Amino acid sequence: KQEVTQIPAALSVPEGENLVLNCSFTDSAIYNLQWFRQDPGKGLTSLLLIQSSQREQTSGRLNASLDKSSGRSTLYIAASQPGDSATYLCAVRESQGNLIFGKGTKLSVKP
Amino acid sequence: DGGITQSPKYLFRKEGQNVTLSCEQNLNHDAMYWYRQDPGQGLRLIYYSQIVNDFQKGDIAEGYSVSREKKESFPLTVTSAQKNPTAFYLCASSSGPAGTQYFGPGTRLLVL
Repeated sequence: KQEVTQIPAALSVPEGENLVLNCSFTDSAIYNLQWFRQDPGKGLTSLLLIQSSQREQTSGRLNASLDKSSGRSTLYIAASQPGDSATYLCAVRESQGNLIFGKGTKLSVKP
Repeated sequence: DGGITQSPKYLFRKEGQNVTLSCEQNLNHDAMYWYRQDPGQGLRLIYYSQIVNDFQKGDIAEGYSVSREKKESFPLTVTSAQKNPTAFYLCASSSGPAGTQYFGPGTRLLVL
């Protein structure tokens, strides 16, 4: 059964730092991988989607990489800002279309 | 203004009561999903529907029921059989099984 793990569970950094969030999954037979952001008490906002055939995707200050063979993805956030404070969720899609979520990394960026 | 709406934002359930959570989308998406989120946990799939008049159980379907009579709507009923219903419920939709999932703002269900 597919399991998704995110490390660390929480992270606090000063404004301006570059940071990396990690996601690992146990079954490499995934269709794609998606990174989401969730603000407290809100729904999820999709950040990046990487197809299984891709190595990385970029959007603004965000860069997500995928190494399917080792079961890992990273989300790189450049020049972090207080507005980046949120919980970041990683989810892998299995072939039948269902997403399997990690528990998230709670990020706090301090001014 | 396209998107997914969920109502109500907060819902209170009494013992033995069935309650229904609404999810509507105007994105013309075929697939819709219901997830449950508990504190400190990842999202868990309750039910999903790839097409109108068809739906499938997810990982934690017991105590829940759904219908998909219209493409735009995928209501979730939390029945009295669900003994621990307090959670944050999220609805999502996608254009197909492989597409990006877009989420609604969520409904927080509390038990009186």
